[in-house]
Amino acid sequence: KAGVTQTPRYLIKTRGQQVTLSCSPISGHRSVSWYQQTPGQGLQFLFEYFSETQRNKGNFPGRFSGRQFSNSRSEMNVSTLELGDSALYLCASSLSLAGGDEQFFGPGTRLTVL
Amino acid sequence: AQSVAQPEDQVNVAEGNPLTVKCTYSVSGNPYLFWYVQYPNRGLQFLLKYITGDNLVKGSYGFEAEFNKSQTSFHLKKPSALVSDSALYFCAVRDSNSGNTGKLIFGQGTTLQVKP
Repeated sequence: KAGVTQTPRYLIKTRGQQVTLSCSPISGHRSVSWYQQTPGQGLQFLFEYFSETQRNKGNFPGRFSGRQFSNSRSEMNVSTLELGDSALYLCASSLSLAGGDEQFFGPGTRLTVL
Repeated sequence: AQSVAQPEDQVNVAEGNPLTVKCTYSVSGNPYLFWYVQYPNRGLQFLLKYITGDNLVKGSYGFEAEFNKSQTSFHLKKPSALVSDSALYFCAVRDSNSGNTGKLIFGQGTTLQVKP
């Protein structure tokens, strides 16, 4: 079974631009979550989607948004990029929202904002 | 507030020796606890989880973890470390304050260095 895939793997953008990251979950997984990883803040939760609905959102500004499609694939968008948005963005999928379901992570998208 | 703490930024151990990576947590209700490992330029790999039942949980690559409710700890262990175990390890707890959610709260990570 294929794992979680994320595209692109690397991105370089300049301040003020916007970016869209894509995530394809493991087949059959209906829940997708996004996390931001930085050296200073560690792993921080961005948002979570299940059945095309946002179920939970972290403490990030409105410039960060996302969506989930009917095939469970998900995208996240960051508008008006700032230098501080440089990070590794990780997508994770799980079968459901059940507390015991582990999340499986993709390799991440490394975003660099210049 | 719910939180996870990994008190050691780095753990150094010689190959063949046992290793322990520490984790303590603070949650309301019953905790769902997880360990993940991250190799350079890679995503997180699931190692093991505690949901309920036996306090000693066995996971991938020979790792195990001991759940201690009274000490609110979930330490990761391995009887004999390998150089290839060198990586960044994260402890995480499921957020139980947000209803039905998969949201994980992560510790800050512990770098494990296994020397030959």
